Amino acid sequence: QKEVEQDPGPLSVPEGAIVSLNCTYSNSAFQYFMWYRQYSRKGPELLMYTYSSGNKEDGRFTAQVDKSSKYISLFIRDSQPSDSATYLCAMSANTGGFKTIFGAGTRLFVKA
Amino acid sequence: GAGVSQSPRYKVTKRGQDVALRCDPISGHVSLYWYRQALGQGPEFLTYFNYEAQQDKSGLPNDRFSAERPEGSISTLTIQRTEQRDSAMYRCASSLASPDSPEKLFFGSGTQLSVL
Repeated sequence: QKEVEQDPGPLSVPEGAIVSLNCTYSNSAFQYFMWYRQYSRKGPELLMYTYSSGNKEDGRFTAQVDKSSKYISLFIRDSQPSDSATYLCAMSANTGGFKTIFGAGTRLFVKA
Repeated sequence: GAGVSQSPRYKVTKRGQDVALRCDPISGHVSLYWYRQALGQGPEFLTYFNYEAQQDKSGLPNDRFSAERPEGSISTLTIQRTEQRDSAMYRCASSLASPDSPEKLFFGSGTQLSVL
């Protein structure tokens, strides 16, 4: 069993739709939960991070963490064609140089 | 430059040859990571350093893979006796790793390794 599970998709939605992306994990030591966005032929870029459980909102993006269920989500409101990319969840047990484990990534296509 | 720099951008080699991949992290970044990313997959952890100390190498597939960061800055990932299954994008990332900042990784453009 992988430490982080993520449905690879692809996920295709019309412009303006609400998108829900999810990951599950098995390691209860994870405390930092990140979402990276990766455009084709580029390296991943950090989109959002959340510490422990709870919600975090940044513009059209909301990240949720439920540690009791070992489940994290990223919601994208009013999705735009420019949001088309691969979204990678990532997790770390701590800051200060602890390794970050990535999910497989979900490919998202937003159609105009 | 301001970002993480990796070289070469592309490397084509014959099976059995050794290759060395270089990563120059963002100046001042404490942590340096190596990941391998297959097409359509997420980055797979290989190893990471804090300064010059290799903290975790549990992701290295076998003893043909090794990495070093002798002066706590530039790092080299070496693959000996390459095999076709080693073909992948190898990505380096660095981070400040400060207590006030979660593990925000800055990735380089990667080295695409092809073993013929």
